[in-house]
Amino acid sequence: GQSLEQPSEVTAVEGAIVQINCTYQTSGFYGLSWYQQHDGGAPTFLSYNALDGLEETGRFSSFLSRSDSYGYLLLQELQMKDSASYFCAENQGGKLIFGQGTELSVKP
Amino acid sequence: EAQVTQNPRYLITVTGKKLTVTCSQNMNHEYMSWYRQDPGLGLRQIYYSMNVEVTDKGDVPEGYKVSRKEKRNFPLILESPSPNQTSLYFCASSLSTSTANYGYTFGSGTRLTVV
Repeated sequence: GQSLEQPSEVTAVEGAIVQINCTYQTSGFYGLSWYQQHDGGAPTFLSYNALDGLEETGRFSSFLSRSDSYGYLLLQELQMKDSASYFCAENQGGKLIFGQGTELSVKP
Repeated sequence: EAQVTQNPRYLITVTGKKLTVTCSQNMNHEYMSWYRQDPGLGLRQIYYSMNVEVTDKGDVPEGYKVSRKEKRNFPLILESPSPNQTSLYFCASSLSTSTANYGYTFGSGTRLTVV
């Protein structure tokens, strides 16, 4: 069953910074991924953290703390096109287990 | 173009009529997986395959079958579909599970309705 927790909805304004948190269970944990999905389309890979710390890719950053079983996705300089669902996903070797997703709404 | 191709994109069928959703990738990926997505439940893994002739159950395998006879293809079979299998289905592939930092590539999805 689901072992990851993330907020169901987040709202922010254009140009702002938003953080989407994710907590996971530690059994069999290899790393934490983040995916973006627009309106039922194909999820697209954003980032992956296997070790503690921050990974930066353009406007998006992802953080992992293995000791706290916690990670987050940070989106900077928000744009309208960033309105989408964001999923954290736990890599358990052969399995990639997804959270239920956070719907981000970016307002003008 | 590197991609995962699923067919069909949309399918309406009747209860009990066997169907197959095809999935093919052209990236020589070892790992392939099937997910279903339902409102409020996120993406749930049905089956996965770490290489040819190697398949394993995910979290929701009941009512589904898969096969991996060739590296590029990973079809999802519903032997006797039921209305609770109405869902959006995604196939995904990855070079291997040890290269998760490269991410999984998803197909465009198959929206299945069982009446």
